[in-house]
Amino acid sequence: DGGITQSPKYLFRKEGQNVTLSCEQNLNHDAMYWYRQDPGQGLRLIYYSQIVNDFQKGDIAEGYSVSREKKESFPLTVTSAQKNPTAFYLCASKDGGNQETQYFGPGTRLLVL
Amino acid sequence: QQQVKQSPQSLIVQKGGISIINCAYENTAFDYFPWYQQFPGKGPALLIAIRPDVSEKKEGRFTISFNKSAKQFSLHIMDSQPGDSATYFCAARNTGFQKLVFGTGTRLLVSP
Repeated sequence: DGGITQSPKYLFRKEGQNVTLSCEQNLNHDAMYWYRQDPGQGLRLIYYSQIVNDFQKGDIAEGYSVSREKKESFPLTVTSAQKNPTAFYLCASKDGGNQETQYFGPGTRLLVL
Repeated sequence: QQQVKQSPQSLIVQKGGISIINCAYENTAFDYFPWYQQFPGKGPALLIAIRPDVSEKKEGRFTISFNKSAKQFSLHIMDSQPGDSATYFCAARNTGFQKLVFGTGTRLLVSP
């Protein structure tokens, strides 16, 4: 059963805490993406990676960090520097080259206690 | 300019009616324009997409109309059904970049 999995579905963060959101894909896609979704603001790109061991900042990278040690995994860490982390986080992946379609995971909702 | 402007923010349509959502862009380097459908608590899913060398693309009840000179494109949902109630996002891809720019979304409600 191919697809993108994100875990956990809900995550609670305390003040000053770093939390890590998981994203795994078994589609053999080269590129992976992290988006943040807030009401009325659409999807904003946090980080993306086109190949293993390489990633680039998106439009709102401050307060976030990523790694891409394996092709199938692209975890996102929300650091304590991110002052407004409450949002719905979406991971996506895309095949390499000129393939156009991004496939999204089911999302993780992050809430601050 | 990397923005894609989407309107309306919300839309209520009666069952059987036509839903129309519009998007506009400035960057002429955009070369791919997808529409995504998102149900509450779920990730977006690709609905239909178009390239700028085509003025219209139809898949079932969903049609994209593309006006290259006006830098506008729109999604038409014919015979709208309650099951179409969702949030719709337009997007655009810049040639040479492997990332999408998304509109702010339109929440569609189809009343029974």
